[in-house]
Amino acid sequence: SQKIEQNSEALNIQEGKTATLTCNYTNYSPAYLQWYRQDPGRGPVFLLLIRENEKEKRKERLKVTFDTTLKQSLFHITASQPADSATYLCAGYAGNNRKLIWGLGTSLAVNP
Amino acid sequence: EPEVTQTPSHQVTQMGQEVILRCVPISNHLYFYWYRQILGQKVEFLVSFYNNEISEKSEIFDDQFSVERPDGSNFTLKIRSTKLEDSAMYFCASSELGSPLYEQYFGPGTRLTVT
Repeated sequence: SQKIEQNSEALNIQEGKTATLTCNYTNYSPAYLQWYRQDPGRGPVFLLLIRENEKEKRKERLKVTFDTTLKQSLFHITASQPADSATYLCAGYAGNNRKLIWGLGTSLAVNP
Repeated sequence: EPEVTQTPSHQVTQMGQEVILRCVPISNHLYFYWYRQILGQKVEFLVSFYNNEISEKSEIFDDQFSVERPDGSNFTLKIRSTKLEDSAMYFCASSELGSPLYEQYFGPGTRLTVT
């Protein structure tokens, strides 16, 4: 079945460092990948979208890459801050449908 | 800034009872969605809705579920006969259009507890 996999192990980094989160997909080829932030007890908040024909997308301190050969997207937060602490979710669309397939998310803790 | 709202924030119900979860999408949005997230698990797509009809639904969205846009602002999810395994956080989302290029805005969720 179509799957989005994210590293389930929490990531702890020091403030100011770059956080890198991984999203791998199997058994399908998403035309788009989206990254969301989710805080405890809240709904996901959209951050970035990247298309399969884009290698990289940036927005302020955020950068997303999409490698269709490795079937992987990387999400980077540069100059990380404690306020960046949250769970980050990767989600993919395939084809023309409007169904998003989600990863479990990776919890990020940025320590002051 | 416009936002998606959901009520109630927490609903406790007994197994076998019907529940209606309510959402007010962003006013100029045309596509509406319901997702659920069981504690500690992935967000799961349930259904998308456009032009007063279901446009896509998942295998989870069986006959016990239904959606409705009863008026110009509300979007509801009804679960006819709740089961213990329906306990989850239910999120409503909306987007301007249905293309994946349009971001989905999520509400704060309704926590449904079935006892």
